[in-house]
Amino acid sequence: DTAVSQTPKYLVTQMGNDKSIKCEQNLGHDTMYWYKQDSKKFLKIMFSYNNKELIINETVPNRFSPKSPDKAHLNLHINSLELGDSAVYFCASSQPVPINSPLHFGNGTRLTVT
Amino acid sequence: DAKTTQPNSMESNEEEPVHLPCNHSTISGTDYIHWYRQLPSQGPEYVIHGLTSNVNNRMASLAIAEDRKSSTLILHRATLRDAAVYYCILSQRGGSNYKLTFGKGTLLTVNP
Repeated sequence: DTAVSQTPKYLVTQMGNDKSIKCEQNLGHDTMYWYKQDSKKFLKIMFSYNNKELIINETVPNRFSPKSPDKAHLNLHINSLELGDSAVYFCASSQPVPINSPLHFGNGTRLTVT
Repeated sequence: DAKTTQPNSMESNEEEPVHLPCNHSTISGTDYIHWYRQLPSQGPEYVIHGLTSNVNNRMASLAIAEDRKSSTLILHRATLRDAAVYYCILSQRGGSNYKLTFGKGTLLTVNP
């Protein structure tokens, strides 16, 4: 069983469109994250949710809106897509305090905006 | 933010030990040292973490300097499957929340 699963794996869309990426974890973790990895391979945290509550928002444009219907799901909605949004987006989960609890990552969603 | 410095790349031969260094001279007393690795086309994978004492698990060993300003990830016998980008990360506390901030990492190449 996949611990952290993301869909879709690949997403190709045009500028200006709105798209969503879904994430689900079956590890019973309370905390979920979205990370963005750009073309230079830098991995940057975008959001963190703990038990459906937003904990970390790293100065991400308002076009990005995470939604957590329950603690096992954290979806990412992106409005008015721009070329610079092209990247690989990783979902992750952990127990509330990652200082002692490993992050478990999904295999990523490669978003290409044309 | 507490930062880490790692070599951009390292090379090893299969079945030989690999020592991946990391400098973190601005580490604070409450920061843990974490190591993750990312295989091609996959998400990062947890390897090991520690605070002050050396740590061992089935994947690797973590040697932490006495002053905690540096650490070394040790892969005892490298395999081709260990070829990946290895990230040394400090946990950072913002209020009551912790986050892990990834740096550039070290690209490890393993030669057969």
